[in-house]
Parts: sequence; C-alpha cells; structure tokens
Amino acid sequence: NAGVTQTPKFQVLKTGQSMTLQCAQDMNHNSMYWYRQDPGMGLRLIYYSASEGTTDKGEVPNGYNVSRLNKREFSLRLESAAPSQTSVYFCASSEWLANTGELFFGEGSRLTVL
Amino acid sequence: KNEVEQSPQNLTAQEGEFITINCSYSVGISALHWLQQHPGGGIVSLFMLSSGKKKHGRLIATINIQEKHSSLHITASHPRDSAVYICAVGLGGADGLTFGKGTHLIIQP
Repeated sequence: NAGVTQTPKFQVLKTGQSMTLQCAQDMNHNSMYWYRQDPGMGLRLIYYSASEGTTDKGEVPNGYNVSRLNKREFSLRLESAAPSQTSVYFCASSEWLANTGELFFGEGSRLTVL
Repeated sequence: KNEVEQSPQNLTAQEGEFITINCSYSVGISALHWLQQHPGGGIVSLFMLSSGKKKHGRLIATINIQEKHSSLHITASHPRDSAVYICAVGLGGADGLTFGKGTHLIIQP
C-alpha cells in the first residue's frame, strides 16, 4: 500500500524556471493538501482540495497554482520560481476534511531555488 | 487565526524516562492532531482527538477543551522515539490545519 506518493523528492531550480510537484494517493481520500515547511516555522497550507473538482487557497498561496486532476492526484505548480520558494513541500490527504480524519503525508519534496 | 504554542521546543532525556510535550491553542477547535517527524523528513500521524484521552502503545494523548490544552506523553522512552513532535489544530471549516513549530525530542541511550 503506497499511501501518498510525491515526486520529485529533490529538485534544484534557477530563479524564473517553472516546475510541477506531483502527488498521488491510493486510499480513495476526498481531501488533499499541499504544505510547505520552513526552518523555525510550522507547516503552512498552500492550497487544498476538499473534494474532487474543488480547490481553495490556504495561508500562503502566492506564486503557486494547483490542479486536482482526479480523485487520486493533486499537483502543485510553480510558474516562475523565486528563492523565497526554497522549502520542503509536503502533500497530504485525508478521507474527508483534516478536521475529521487522520492525515496521511507524502515523504516530502525538497526544492532549492537559486 | 488560531495560534498554536508547543513546549518545550527542545527536550533531551535519558532512555526510560517519562516524556511530556505540551500544546496550547488560542481558539476553540474541532480536532487536534499529534504528528511525528523523523530525521529524513517523513511525517506520520500519531493521534487525532477532539476530547478525552487516547492511547497507542507507549504513547498517550490527552486534551482539555476548556483549557485549550493538549499533552502528548511517552512512557518508557526509547532512542527510536527521537523525532520532532508536531501539534496541529483544526477549526470546523474545510481547510487544513494550523501547526505548531514542533518539539525536538532526543532520547539518549
């Protein structure tokens, strides 16, 4: 049982380049989330998808876009990467809303923007 | 916005000691999560609770809704318990959680 799978695990970009982080879950969960984790700070929500076909902004959405491709997949795109987006990114899923069920996390994607 | 404070920020203890990590939050919540993050980064959910107490193996989580406070206890601590423990709270809405900054626990043999 793979759970939540993120790719890539590591990526180095130059300022202005674009890239997409991929996330897939095999637990038939309705809700999916993208977080970023920076030193000295708690995880912060970038975007979430409460259910297939819906996406909403979280706490720090600027510079990012998302796509809920289907129930399994939720991707995060950086259109023009900036050094401030250097971070570790985590995808997570829950059966239905993070307030009501256990969260399952991917292994994280470490992104460096030069 | 809910503020989540964890204490202590860092904790070093000897193997076998009883460990307590605290989490306080500022507004009423619908659920509280305790998460564990090992070196290397993976995050695992330990508990989700909205009232009372839950136990899993050597881990116990309690929550006091009136005092807006939760504790995570580890009995008979072991070096493999060394990790960052993160508290996260959710309101009743559809979005994600508000996370504490984590407690870095080291258990020495």
